[in-house]
Amino acid sequence: DTEVTQTPKHLVMGMTNKKSLKCEQHMGHRAMYWYKQKAKKPPELMFVYSYEKLSINESVPSRFSPECPNSSLLNLHLHALQPEDSALYLCASSQVIGMMDEKLFFGSGTQLSVL
Amino acid sequence: AQSVTQLDSHVSVSEGTPVLLRCNYSSSYSPSLFWYVQHPNKGLQLLLKYTSAATLVKGINGFEAEFKKSETSFHLTKPSAHMSDAAEYFCVVRGRGARQLTFGSGTQLTVLP
Repeated sequence: DTEVTQTPKHLVMGMTNKKSLKCEQHMGHRAMYWYKQKAKKPPELMFVYSYEKLSINESVPSRFSPECPNSSLLNLHLHALQPEDSALYLCASSQVIGMMDEKLFFGSGTQLSVL
Repeated sequence: AQSVTQLDSHVSVSEGTPVLLRCNYSSSYSPSLFWYVQHPNKGLQLLLKYTSAATLVKGINGFEAEFKKSETSFHLTKPSAHMSDAAEYFCVVRGRGARQLTFGSGTQLTVLP
């Protein structure tokens, strides 16, 4: 199984809502990532977990809250988002972080619209 | 410091003709270089990677890329385009000791029938 599964595929939420994005992989990878991608732009790194511990936080606003409950799951909790947060949110995994030739496996993403 | 420049934001080719997507990089040390492809509303998929072994790298779906240190380039090629190749392509660099990957701005490939 070489898949990274993300749910939901689409999400529409108001600025006062609380929602969560979920990501799952069963490849035994110990590094998991959240990226944000605006239309026609490259992905931007948000968070990296290594062995279930937050390793990198790219100065992301606190309205985004990541969680890694175990080595296979990664969540992104959303609260009080702004319309400019509308984007494709991609989850990725790799065997470990810090390897020069690390290959990332991406999920298909959650298309988020904030009204 | 590391950076990557994709020289063309859009490339159009006819089906069956060659594809060339250009990428130049900057890195303080010998980098690792990757090409990823993204089809509409999908995640990214690794096409190929260079990690200081052979300078000509073969990837999936008939794509290949050549690492040229003297030109700091890593251009992606395919001898004959297929309609299914239409997608966004990202050149990605990782310098030694870098905390994360650096993505290029992307090249949208259109394949005309």
